[in-house]
Amino acid sequence: GAGVSQSPSNKVTEKGKDVELRCDPISGHTALYWYRQSLGQGLEFLIYFQGNSAPDKSGLPSDRFSAERTGGSVSTLTIQRTQQEDSAVYLCASSPGQGKITDTQYFGPGTRLTVL
Amino acid sequence: EDKVVQSPLSLVVHEGDTVTLNCSYEVTNFRSLLWYKQEKKAPTFLFMLTSSGIEKKSGRLSSILDKKELFSILNITATQTGDSAVYLCAVRGGTSYGKLTFGQGTILTVHP
Repeated sequence: GAGVSQSPSNKVTEKGKDVELRCDPISGHTALYWYRQSLGQGLEFLIYFQGNSAPDKSGLPSDRFSAERTGGSVSTLTIQRTQQEDSAVYLCASSPGQGKITDTQYFGPGTRLTVL
Repeated sequence: EDKVVQSPLSLVVHEGDTVTLNCSYEVTNFRSLLWYKQEKKAPTFLFMLTSSGIEKKSGRLSSILDKKELFSILNITATQTGDSAVYLCAVRGGTSYGKLTFGQGTILTVHP
């Protein structure tokens, strides 16, 4: 079956512009996650959606970052007034989200964002 | 604050060598530890460990968790050039059920 997909694969924007990044999770997965990976760094948690529960936004670095998940499936991460330090690879993951300790996250290929 | 530290940060070996990658962690309410392999963009899942002392094995790769000493190791035997990648360790715990806290990764380079 299809894995997690993300679009676009690459995005170049100018400082101050808004960008939207899209994630399509694995069909049937109820949990969806966004992470950010800056050059040479590990992954940094941003936000987590589980079913209809309120999302865990504890990792969002500023109020310029927001995310939504429509219909419990596709998610969009929006960055407003982009800054050069926002340049990174943005990775989306999904998991079955069945509340088990063994719940495993599967990652998409990411969107490489470059802010000039 | 939850913390995951991997060592070494980078490692260069020749084909056929055996390598051991280390991951230590500090996290409240530990649930599981995961290893991922990242070659280009998408990290691919290798192992999940929840119980101490039980080895997970897949081909030439194996991993074990020590919950008392708060660390895990990933072993790769008879390395091949295709094993060259960044190996990421992540821990699930803390106050957020779903969030993974990642280490900075170990860059493994295997020369022919």
